[in-house]
Amino acid sequence: ETGVTQTPRHLVMGMTNKKSLKCEQHLGHNAMYWYKQSAKKPLELMFVYSLEERVENNSVPSRFSPECPNSSHLFLHLHTLQPEDSALYLCASSQDRTDNEQFFGPGTRLTVL
Amino acid sequence: KQEVTQIPAALSVPEGENLVLNCSFTDSAIYNLQWFRQDPGKGLTSLLLIQSSQREQTSGRLNASLDKSSGRSTLYIAASQPGDSATYLCAVRQYNQGGKLIFGQGTELSVKP
Repeated sequence: ETGVTQTPRHLVMGMTNKKSLKCEQHLGHNAMYWYKQSAKKPLELMFVYSLEERVENNSVPSRFSPECPNSSHLFLHLHTLQPEDSALYLCASSQDRTDNEQFFGPGTRLTVL
Repeated sequence: KQEVTQIPAALSVPEGENLVLNCSFTDSAIYNLQWFRQDPGKGLTSLLLIQSSQREQTSGRLNASLDKSSGRSTLYIAASQPGDSATYLCAVRQYNQGGKLIFGQGTELSVKP
């Protein structure tokens, strides 16, 4: 595997379910990000991790819970979501949090029923 | 608060035309500006990264310019092809917000054979 991978690629869940999105980067980067892309809206940054520490939480509801167990893996745990949370969730990584290029994964298309 | 605007929102051109996509931003305190391509339902592919000290970057048929003082960037695509059809996003890496990447809403490009 190369670059940034995300699983699953598609997820359908009910409002009472608990699920997790997984992201893995194979680039040796130190920073990882979760973004949300809703229809007709710009990408929104959700969380930033640098060296496995959360450095930014962009006013995201607590029903989204990130986890970064090591510099290569990032999870987004989901519970009691709402239909308006349906979106494309994108993971990205970069060498650090400043002036380096960000590389994105293919995304997980989430549908909440 | 940084705002990134892309004009036009959508563009349709015949194959072979040269075209320009525009991106403007309100706060010049940026590390860099990145242009991405996004195919429908897919993740983002990085096209070009321009550091704040640079004026332009080139990759194949793509040329991106940056005028930080006026808050503008352009992406020039030469000799467009149907395979260039996608949404093009620009994003600025914010200097005073931990390197946060702030996106425009994108330009949806369609190149007709």
